[in-house]
Formats: sequence, structure tokens, C-alpha cells
Amino acid sequence: NAGVTQTPKFQVLKTGQSMTLQCAQDMNHEYMSWYRQDPGMGLRLIHYSVGAGITDQGEVPNGYNVSRSTTEDFPLRLLSAAPSQTSVYFCASSLGTNTGELFFGEGSRLTVL
Amino acid sequence: GQQVMQIPQYQHVQEGEDFTTYCNSSTTLSNIQWYKQRPGGHPVFLIQLVKSGEVKKQKRLTFQFGEAKKNSSLHITATQTTDVGTYFCAGTASATNKLIFGTGTLLAVQP
Repeated sequence: NAGVTQTPKFQVLKTGQSMTLQCAQDMNHEYMSWYRQDPGMGLRLIHYSVGAGITDQGEVPNGYNVSRSTTEDFPLRLLSAAPSQTSVYFCASSLGTNTGELFFGEGSRLTVL
Repeated sequence: GQQVMQIPQYQHVQEGEDFTTYCNSSTTLSNIQWYKQRPGGHPVFLIQLVKSGEVKKQKRLTFQFGEAKKNSSLHITATQTTDVGTYFCAGTASATNKLIFGTGTLLAVQP
């Protein structure tokens, strides 16, 4: 099993550009989520999904879109990148919201100039 | 909204000393999880606590969930250099599906 796979690992964007961070899991997990990690801020929840076709906002959703058309995939879209979105992004999945271990991808380091 | 705070933000210990990090939530939690993130790595699950007052041990690590289910602690006995990293708590509020992470405690261990 590959677990949770995130691509790309590194990306540099210019302000105003758009991009999609990909996340896929092969564990048949219903729950998937995106976090961003900034120094001193911990991990902040951007968006999450409790199943295919269902998404909801987390703590810091502004500037990000998500969709969940399949159980396996949960892409994160930046429509118009801003320097404040420079961060490390983690995708994570679990069997359910209250059913234990969250499995994380390796992370995607995004720099917006 | 739900907030989860951790203290201290940073702790530097000599190898062999004990270490404790505390986690406090603004709302009642249905469960609390703990994760460890090594420098440059991704968070890795350590444990989940569900019951009020629950205490669990993993070798030198002891985890507690408060009676009111709003706070938790992680205690490491006799730290080793392999314990270096950032420890996060994460809680699911009883009223929501959101797993919110604490701010983390960075542990440095000097040999």
C-alpha cells in the first residue's frame, strides 16, 4: 500500500497563479483533510471531507477550494495564489472522523513569490 | 470557534530528564489524539484517548485525558535523543467533525 500520496513535493508560484495540490489514498478511507503548517502555528485545518461528494470548511478555508468526486482523491486548489499561502501543506486521511489514526502524506512545500 | 492550545511551545532537556506537554481545549472533546513529527517529516499517530480520565502508557510515554474531556497531557520519562521532535495533540469537538490540532511542543534533547 502506498498510503497517502501528495504531489508535488515542492512548488514555487508567482502571486496570482493558480495550482492544484493532489492527494490520493489507497486505504479506502472515508475521511480526508488538508492542513497547512506554519512556524509557531501548528497544523491548521483548511478543508475536510467525510465521504465522496461531501466537503466542508475547516479553520482557514479562504483562498482554497476542494472537491471529492471519488473516495480516493481529494485535490486542493489555489485559485489565485498569495504570498500568505506560502506554507507546508499536508493531506491526511482516516477511516472516519472519530475512528482513530490520521495518516499523513509527506507534505507539499509551496512558496508564493 | 474551537481552539486547542499547548504548553510549552518549546522545551530543551538533558537526556535522561523527564518531559511533559499539556493540551487545553476551549470546548469539550469526544476524543484526543497525540502525534509526533520529526524535523522535516510528517506527523505520525501515537495514540487516541476517548474516555474521561483515561490513562494510557506506551513504554516511556504516558498519556492522560482530563475528567472534563477538555485537557490532556503527554509525559515522557527519561528522555532519549530519539524523542526529539514536535508533539501535537489533536481533538475532535463533540459537536463537530473537525479534528483540530494544538499548536505543538518542540522537544530538544541534549545528549
